[in-house]
Amino acid sequence: DVKVTQSSRYLVKRTGEKVFLECVQDMDHENMFWYRQDPGLGLRLIYFSYDVKMKEKGDIPEGYSVSREKKERFSLILESASTNQTSMYLCASSLRGDHGELFFGEGSRLTVL
Amino acid sequence: AQSVAQPEDQVNVAEGNPLTVKCTYSVSGNPYLFWYVQYPNRGLQFLLKYITGDNLVKGSYGFEAEFNKSQTSFHLKKPSALVSDSALYFCAVRDIDYKLSFGAGTTVTVRA
Repeated sequence: DVKVTQSSRYLVKRTGEKVFLECVQDMDHENMFWYRQDPGLGLRLIYFSYDVKMKEKGDIPEGYSVSREKKERFSLILESASTNQTSMYLCASSLRGDHGELFFGEGSRLTVL
Repeated sequence: AQSVAQPEDQVNVAEGNPLTVKCTYSVSGNPYLFWYVQYPNRGLQFLLKYITGDNLVKGSYGFEAEFNKSQTSFHLKKPSALVSDSALYFCAVRDIDYKLSFGAGTTVTVRA
């Protein structure tokens, strides 16, 4: 089975702190994605990557950056956390050329105080 | 851009009754449509997808979905709901470049 692992399930940070959310997948998928999930808004795409060192902005990239130095790892970075970034963050991966089925991690719930 | 809409925030059914979760889509070209389920404090799990072919798609846990091109709908169905089906359900459409765009989600509650 495909496994997408997010290193932290729950985090509490203070406004202005730098936050790293790590995601690792074990199925050699080319595509990786970061979404945030908020009640009533569904999932919104922050950034995605098709390959190592490649990144593309999604629908809501402001306040976020990403890093993909290795194929299996995709990191989401909040340079200076703000309270409006309190949310559930979901990482996903998929095969290049696949019809689109995404495999999700368990999520990281971030609270910014 | 491709998009989906889930018109119901909540669906409540009794155990054993049919369950339907609605989804409509807006796409240019042929749609690739998906349903995912999310149990409390968990990630999303894939249920089924429509790419092409038969309009009735069967998926995991006894779920199926009907693709209707004339009504631009892709409703999720289960003939007999279980209490364990209580969860948050998302419809999604594949956008260009392998991205998925999700609906706002529908909370399903199945009462015993």
